[in-house]
Amino acid sequence: DSGVTQTPKHLITATGQRVTLRCSPRSGDLSVYWYQQSLDQGLQFLIQYYNGEERAKGNILERFSAQQFPDLHSELNLSSLELGDSALYFCASSVLGGANVLTFGAGSRLTVL
Amino acid sequence: TQLLEQSPQFLSIQEGENLTVYCNSSSVFSSLQWYRQEPGEGPVLLVTVVTGGEVKKLKRLTFQFGDARKDSSLHITAAQPGDTGLYLCAGVNNDMRFGAGTRLTVKP
Repeated sequence: DSGVTQTPKHLITATGQRVTLRCSPRSGDLSVYWYQQSLDQGLQFLIQYYNGEERAKGNILERFSAQQFPDLHSELNLSSLELGDSALYFCASSVLGGANVLTFGAGSRLTVL
Repeated sequence: TQLLEQSPQFLSIQEGENLTVYCNSSSVFSSLQWYRQEPGEGPVLLVTVVTGGEVKKLKRLTFQFGDARKDSSLHITAAQPGDTGLYLCAGVNNDMRFGAGTRLTVKP
């Protein structure tokens, strides 16, 4: 157990729907990162939050949004889902705001049918 | 287009063989990390290299950071089935970007 908790582990939904993925960072970590992993694209950086504030943005689609709450947990919202959004979504956390050692959760596998 | 190119994409070898996988970029990084990911799990950090030309050893794994801090290699000696997994490199500057990985299979 890495200390980073992601829910749900698996999610199957239909095109056009909206889902929310949840992440609780490791105790003491202030930064949360979201990554998307698909077979043909590898691990793609989506967005980072540090202590509730957006810190860095990667290849995140406009249909996706995220936030980090005062208790430091984070949610990734995916809307108007398309088949191509099927992927593993990983959350990682770190102590500091700058890129350093990341601790990853086990991921949420999203399947869009 | 990946910022970091990893090669080979797939590698299947017999137990006991040696192997090297590569991570290349045209960008300079302040540091570079290697992770290993097993099925159903998230990536786990193996090592961070910081200085150009740095070599770090972790048991049978040897990591090298290029002199120009643009590339890195991972060499595994006498590979074992337990080394099977996806090996990811990540370049670090203000953020962290990953390569697509090398999927290694070590057959008993």
